[in-house]
Amino acid sequence: DSGVTQTPKHLITATGQRVTLRCSPRSGDLSVYWYQQSLDQGLQFLIQYYNGEERAKGNILERFSAQQFPDLHSELNLSSLELGDSALYFCASSVDQASAQYFGPGTRLTVL
Amino acid sequence: GQQLNQSPQSMFIQEGEDVSMNCTSSSIFNTWLWYKQDPGEGPVLLIALYKAGELTSNGRLTAQFGITRKDSFLNISASIPSDVGIYFCAGHPHMNTGFQKLVFGTGTRLLVSP
Repeated sequence: DSGVTQTPKHLITATGQRVTLRCSPRSGDLSVYWYQQSLDQGLQFLIQYYNGEERAKGNILERFSAQQFPDLHSELNLSSLELGDSALYFCASSVDQASAQYFGPGTRLTVL
Repeated sequence: GQQLNQSPQSMFIQEGEDVSMNCTSSSIFNTWLWYKQDPGEGPVLLIALYKAGELTSNGRLTAQFGITRKDSFLNISASIPSDVGIYFCAGHPHMNTGFQKLVFGTGTRLLVSP
């Protein structure tokens, strides 16, 4: 158990819909990262927050957004969903951006 | 951008054998991390390395941060069936300023025959 929690574990929805994925970082970690992993693909970095502020963006679509709240949990919002958005979405956390990242168990999103 | 070359791509070994895999880069890294990922699960951190030359063990696993800061290896001794999975190296490239995005290797798929 990495100490990072993610909900829900599975999510099935239809094209055009909007979903919210939730992540709670390890106790004491200020940085939260979101990654997307499609079938048999590597981890694609989406976005990073540090202590409530956005710090870096990766390959995140404009239809996707995220935020980190004062209690340090984070949410990833995916809207106007397309079939190609079906993937595993992982949250990771670390003490700071130079330290090891600990990954959550992921949310499997299926868009039908 | 920075890339990590991880080898071998896959390995099929007998239970009890030792395993070695490595990652190399053309540029300098500040950290090296090794993860194991089972299908449909999140990557699990195995070993974190922060200093050139550092050699760290975690049970049957041993990893080293290369002295040139451009490579790292992971050894697994006396493999067991539950070692099956995909092993990723990852690292923070050296940058003078700005965000140090974690770069991932392409993974080594390990299969262990009982």
